Amino acid sequence: GESVGLHLPTLSVQEGDNSIINCAYSNSASDYFIWYKQESGKGPQFIIDIRSNMDKRQGQRVTVLLNKTVKHLSLQIAATQPGDSAVYFCAEVGGSYIPTFGRGTSLIVHP
Amino acid sequence: DAGVIQSPRHEVTEMGQEVTLRCKPISGHNSLFWYRQTMMRGLELLIYFNNNVPIDDSGMPEDRFSAKMPNASFSTLKIQPSEPRDSAVYFCASSSGFQPQHFGDGTRLSIL
Repeated sequence: GESVGLHLPTLSVQEGDNSIINCAYSNSASDYFIWYKQESGKGPQFIIDIRSNMDKRQGQRVTVLLNKTVKHLSLQIAATQPGDSAVYFCAEVGGSYIPTFGRGTSLIVHP
Repeated sequence: DAGVIQSPRHEVTEMGQEVTLRCKPISGHNSLFWYRQTMMRGLELLIYFNNNVPIDDSGMPEDRFSAKMPNASFSTLKIQPSEPRDSAVYFCASSSGFQPQHFGDGTRLSIL
């Protein structure tokens, strides 16, 4: 039979809105977390990171929040622009220094 | 500032053929990673080198896959013989110490 690819979670927003992308991680021992952005036809690109001794970190138009109690990570993008349309991945890193990537969320920004 | 460079960008070949993917990491980075990305399985780590030495190859699917890093500026991922289920985008990434990885733009591989 025909194989069906798994569809990514999708977030659709209007240009200018704020976007929140969520990620649940699995390993309570992970102490470093990274968000990547992947545009069509390109490799994942680093956006922002956070260490486990912090619960919030801000960059340019982006903020990452970490809730270790529930093993949850979020990426907030302020004033979302069409150029922000991409797939966003979170990654957790433990003692091995090797990131474990989530499945990704597709962000679609409508002009 | 050159990033991670992968070649070829696209490869289409018939099953049974040997495929060689190439990667030039960022100069000064001491870790190199090969990933495979598909819609079904997402981004999978195949193998990881540190200082040119393979550290973890548990993600390599089977003996048809092999990877080498003869020096700090070059790595190859070889599939022999290739099969249609190997069709995917293959990424190389490099990093320095406990820093985020930098990815190349990938090789889109299609095995007919």
